[in-house]
Amino acid sequence: QNVVTQEPSLSVSPGGTVTLTCGLNSGSASTAFYPSWFQQTPGQAPRTLIHSTNTRSSGVPDRFSGSILAGKPALTITGAQADDESDYYCVLYMGSGSWLFGGGTKLTVL
Amino acid sequence: EVQLVASGGGLVQPGGSLRLSCSASGFTFSSYAMHWVRQAPGKGLQYVSAINNSGGNTYYADSVKGRFTISRDNSKNTLYFQMRSLRAEDTAVYYCVKDRGAEAVYGMDVWGQGTTVIVSS
Repeated sequence: QNVVTQEPSLSVSPGGTVTLTCGLNSGSASTAFYPSWFQQTPGQAPRTLIHSTNTRSSGVPDRFSGSILAGKPALTITGAQADDESDYYCVLYMGSGSWLFGGGTKLTVL
Repeated sequence: EVQLVASGGGLVQPGGSLRLSCSASGFTFSSYAMHWVRQAPGKGLQYVSAINNSGGNTYYADSVKGRFTISRDNSKNTLYFQMRSLRAEDTAVYYCVKDRGAEAVYGMDVWGQGTTVIVSS
């Protein structure tokens, strides 16, 4: 049973940098898992930030970047702003049309 | 502008049925795969189902396999989700999501606003 793990919560100071990760219990998650990242604020639909590991969706500020760090897809926010305070989810492609979400990270900017 | 408008949610008794619809506009609907993703109250996102651009390939999470059916009508630019034998644990906001390509393998792109399904007696 594959499980995708994310930090349950993180905090960052305004203007600071924070990295969220997306781990796979069965091993490393490479670019072949086409990792994507989504941002969700309370009561709103998710918004796609990053797809295919490191490609920003249209309109996403360049302070959001995606990468692979030590075998884990990662989302880095550089120069965090107050309105970056949200829930962040990653998803990995597991093959045969199957995608698996992580449990989400609640990011606090304070 | 790409828009996805989901509808059809509501309150249904356990064991009942419901059909969700997702009306698409602003893009060539028949060229893209589509997904359904749900979110139970206070919980994270759960991947539920997907269909390729032609409707010939479908995928279901184990939790809904055999009970839910995804389909699409490309002439009406509409995605459907027939839900049967509903259980309390199916209570969630259901989002329709556009894929980046024709098969459901390129990644989720644009999200609709969601429709709420409540399964309760």
